[in-house]
Amino acid sequence: NAGVTQTPKFQVLKTGQSMTLQCAQDMNHNSMYWYRQDPGMGLRLIYYSASEGTTDKGEVPNGYNVSRLNKREFSLRLESAAPSQTSVYFCASSGQTGRADTQYFGPGTRLTVL
Amino acid sequence: GDSVTQMEGPVTLSEEAFLTINCTYTATGYPSLFWYVQYPGEGLQLLLKATKADDKGSNKGFEATYRKETTSFHLEKGSVQVSDSAVYFCALLNNAGNMLTFGGGTRLMVKP
Repeated sequence: NAGVTQTPKFQVLKTGQSMTLQCAQDMNHNSMYWYRQDPGMGLRLIYYSASEGTTDKGEVPNGYNVSRLNKREFSLRLESAAPSQTSVYFCASSGQTGRADTQYFGPGTRLTVL
Repeated sequence: GDSVTQMEGPVTLSEEAFLTINCTYTATGYPSLFWYVQYPGEGLQLLLKATKADDKGSNKGFEATYRKETTSFHLEKGSVQVSDSAVYFCALLNNAGNMLTFGGGTRLMVKP
């Protein structure tokens, strides 16, 4: 049981390049989330998916797009990377939204945009 | 909007010392409250949670009580170990259950 997995672990991009961060969970969870972590700011929600086929904006969605490919997978895309998007990105999943369910986090992707 | 404030670190303690990390929150309704821990180079792990007022969450010797009257969820441990060195995040889950709001994190360093 791997829990939440993320690829890649590290990535360096040049300004304007695009990339997709992948996330998968094997806990049969309905809800999935993308966060970014910046020094001294905790984690901030970028997008979430309450269930397969739905996505909604979080606190900081600008510059990102997401796809809930199926129940297991939730990807985050940067169409034109900017230095301000240098961060550590975490994917999480939970049984469902609307309840006090625990969110389980992946190991993170460290992204640097030059 | 919702917000979480926790004490800034780093907090440096000697092994077996008593730990308190303060956390206060602002939220509408009745959020659920969490403490997560992040070890170096890893993702966040749930440490404990409380879903309603006066609930006490506990795990691995850590405790926190949901105090609605003071809007607080302070983390405590009676005797810390070197292995407790990590960054600790307080967080609240809104009523809709779709957004975790995190505090800025508190780095704990425990010296032998």
